[in-house]
Parts: sequence; C-alpha cells; structure tokens
Amino acid sequence: NAGVMQNPRHLVRRRGQEARLRCSPMKGHSHVYWYRQLPEEGLKFMVYLQKENIIDESGMPKERFSAEFPKEGPSILRIQQVVRGDSAAYFCASAPSGTGSAEQYFGPGTRLTVT
Amino acid sequence: GEDVEQSLFLSVREGDSSVINCTYTDSSSTYLYWYKQEPGAGLQLLTYIFSNMDMKQDQRLTVLLNKKDKHLSLRIADTQTGDSAIYFCAERSGNTGKLIFGQGTTLQVKP
Repeated sequence: NAGVMQNPRHLVRRRGQEARLRCSPMKGHSHVYWYRQLPEEGLKFMVYLQKENIIDESGMPKERFSAEFPKEGPSILRIQQVVRGDSAAYFCASAPSGTGSAEQYFGPGTRLTVT
Repeated sequence: GEDVEQSLFLSVREGDSSVINCTYTDSSSTYLYWYKQEPGAGLQLLTYIFSNMDMKQDQRLTVLLNKKDKHLSLRIADTQTGDSAIYFCAERSGNTGKLIFGQGTTLQVKP
C-alpha cells in the first residue's frame, strides 16, 4: 500500500515564475490537506480539499496561491509569481474521510526554493 | 484562538526516558497528535489520543493528556540515538479536521 506521494521532492524557481506541486493521496483516501513549513517553524495549515471541492481554504494566502483536487489525478497546489518568501517545505496529508477519521498521513514534502 | 506551544529543545542520554511537553488552547479539540520529523523528511505519525482519554501507551511511547490544564506529553522510554528528531505536537481543530501544530521540539540523544 503506497503512502502519500508528492512530486517533485525539490523544486527551484526564479522569482516571478510559477510553481506546481503535486500530491497523490493514499489509495482509498479522498481527502487532502496542504500545509506549509517555513524554515525553523512548525507546519501551518493552508487548505483542505475533497475531490472536486475546496472545503476550507482559511490558511491560503489571498493572492497567487490556488489549489485543486480533480476527479481524476493528483491534488495540485499552484503558486503564481513566486517570491523569496514562498521558499518553504510544502506537505500534503491524506485521510480516508475528513472529520470521520482521526489519522492524517503525510507525504515526504516538496521543498521549494525561490532564487 | 488556536495555539499550540512546545519547548524547543531537549537533550537526554541514551537509555534515559525523554518527556516532551505541549500545551494547547482549543478546549474543543477532539484528537491530539505526536508526529516525528527526521532531517529532510516528512512527518511520521507516532501516536494520537482521543480527548476523552487520559493516557495511551504504545510500546516505548506513553501519551498523557490533562484536559483540564490543556497539557499533553509524550514519554519515550529507553531513548535511542535513532529517536533523535523533531517532535511535533498537534491538535485537531474545528469541523474540517485541520491540524494545528506546535513549533516542534528537537530531541538530541547523546550516546
């Protein structure tokens, strides 16, 4: 049973470029959470999605960030016009259901570096 | 508001017990978690406890929850060098299951 997969593991972008981060949840899981970890800090919630729906985006910056979880394929976190402050590790976690399951399993993360 | 606090650093000798502490503010939290993060890696779910429990034991790990004081602890018995990592406490918040994390405790195990 494959765990949560994220790619790429490392991503380097110049200021102003776009970053696309992908997350494939565990088999049978239809709920995805995205978190951001700035250097030397804990993880901060960004967004919670179910298939084709954004349920809670209270942690998403208002501009340049968007997320989707289509019916087919991975969840995508998209950052437009990246700035140096976007450099961080981005983790996704999956769960079989949202409020009905206690466990969230994390992927290995994508480490974004903006130069 | 939601906030989770942890001490930043703990150093122990191999074979000793480690106790990592955490306080949280959301009294409506249903679950509380401990995750382990090794350098450059993702988060590994170690254990979690339902809010109506006081204690949970799983092999070398013991979780204690004092709901009145909103205090959570993780005890690692017979700490090994492989336990060196950052340990994150988290509470589950609100209706959507999102997790609120502390800033992490770096555990250093000396041989």
